[in-house]
Amino acid sequence: GESVGLHLPTLSVQEGDNSIINCAYSNSASDYFIWYKQESGKGPQFIIDIRSNMDKRQGQRVTVLLNKTVKHLSLQIAATQPGDSAVYFCAERALSQGGSEKLVFGKGTKLTVNP
Amino acid sequence: NAGVTQTPKFQVLKTGQSMTLQCAQDMNHNSMYWYRQDPGMGLRLIYYSASEGTTDKGEVPNGYNVSRLNKREFSLRLESAAPSQTSVYFCASSGNRVANTEAFFGQGTRLTVV
Repeated sequence: GESVGLHLPTLSVQEGDNSIINCAYSNSASDYFIWYKQESGKGPQFIIDIRSNMDKRQGQRVTVLLNKTVKHLSLQIAATQPGDSAVYFCAERALSQGGSEKLVFGKGTKLTVNP
Repeated sequence: NAGVTQTPKFQVLKTGQSMTLQCAQDMNHNSMYWYRQDPGMGLRLIYYSASEGTTDKGEVPNGYNVSRLNKREFSLRLESAAPSQTSVYFCASSGNRVANTEAFFGQGTRLTVV
């Protein structure tokens, strides 16, 4: 079956440091990956996405790396700030057996930024 | 810009009661999803709908039914609520494969079954 998982459930960093959050996926047919940020009591919010024909994509202070060979995805946050404290999820868009698309989430990593 | 709207925000049910969680999106998205999130856990897919008129089971469909009423609305029904269904429920919608758009989420419904 397909699954998306994270290597580290919690990550604690100092303000100003760079953060790296990792994610493993198992469905080699997935063609689109997304990172979400979820703050306490809120729904997940989009951070950055990447298609399977790319290996790197940069946004504002964030970079996503995709390694299809080992089915690994990472989110890098530069100069981490206290406002970055949240739970981060990776998600993959996968095809079901019937051919329809669905979004499958990993378990999440809780990032804590210490001032 | 409303995005994805879920109602209600909070609900307490007694075991055996039924209820329907409503979700509507105004972004003309084809795909809609229902997830549940338990404390300290990720989002688990209950049901999804790739287009109007179609629905498919996700990872944890037991105890739930869904209806894709039209392109805008996707409802989740609990016919006979159980304490194990105490959770936060999120509805989401996304565009189609060609557009490669991310999913947008509602603010969640916090359901407690006693």
